Amino acid sequence: AQSVTQLDSQVPVFEEAPVELRCNYSSSVSVYLFWYVQYPNQGLQLLLKYLSGSTLVKGINGFEAEFNKSQTSFHLRKPSVHISDTAEYFCAVSDRGDSWGKLQFGAGTQVVVTP
Amino acid sequence: EAQVTQNPRYLITVTGKKLTVTCSQNMNHEYMSWYRQDPGLGLRQIYYSMNVEVTDKGDVPEGYKVSRKEKRNFPLILESPSPNQTSLYFCASSPHGNDYGYTFGSGTRLTVV
Repeated sequence: AQSVTQLDSQVPVFEEAPVELRCNYSSSVSVYLFWYVQYPNQGLQLLLKYLSGSTLVKGINGFEAEFNKSQTSFHLRKPSVHISDTAEYFCAVSDRGDSWGKLQFGAGTQVVVTP
Repeated sequence: EAQVTQNPRYLITVTGKKLTVTCSQNMNHEYMSWYRQDPGLGLRQIYYSMNVEVTDKGDVPEGYKVSRKEKRNFPLILESPSPNQTSLYFCASSPHGNDYGYTFGSGTRLTVV
């Protein structure tokens, strides 16, 4: 079984500053990794995913994440945030060999961008 | 527009009164799933379905039922709701499993008093 730990429950950041959201996972097998974003009063939206290949993954809205197998991490970054990036961000993991199986979500990181 | 539609968006009910939350997708997706979202716990999977008439339990199935009689619909049934089922519920669908990424509905906020 997998588990996901998002190390920060809330991250305040100023507009145009960089942001990093930390995600660590544990699993006994190879994994797929995802970041989802939830804007206020909306459902979740896929930001990016790592399935295989290059460990640096680029997503929508200028976000990117790096898969680090040795550190079992999948941190999300954006070099310059906008007010509109205020949202909750969820890291998620699933077994590579079982795409029908469970997608395990972290507890979420609330990003608050201020001017 | 490709979407997952949940109804209702908001619901207040009393303990023990059966209710159904509907979910419909117009993308011909095989995979559908229900999650509940609670503060500090993230999203936890209730049930999922890999295709018509194929469903399985997620992490927190107790007190819930589902059915998948048609590919597009995946209703969530609470036969006898209790206050600990007060939560924000999301339906999601995917073409074929986790690796494609999910499309989520807008959510149903349920309060059981």
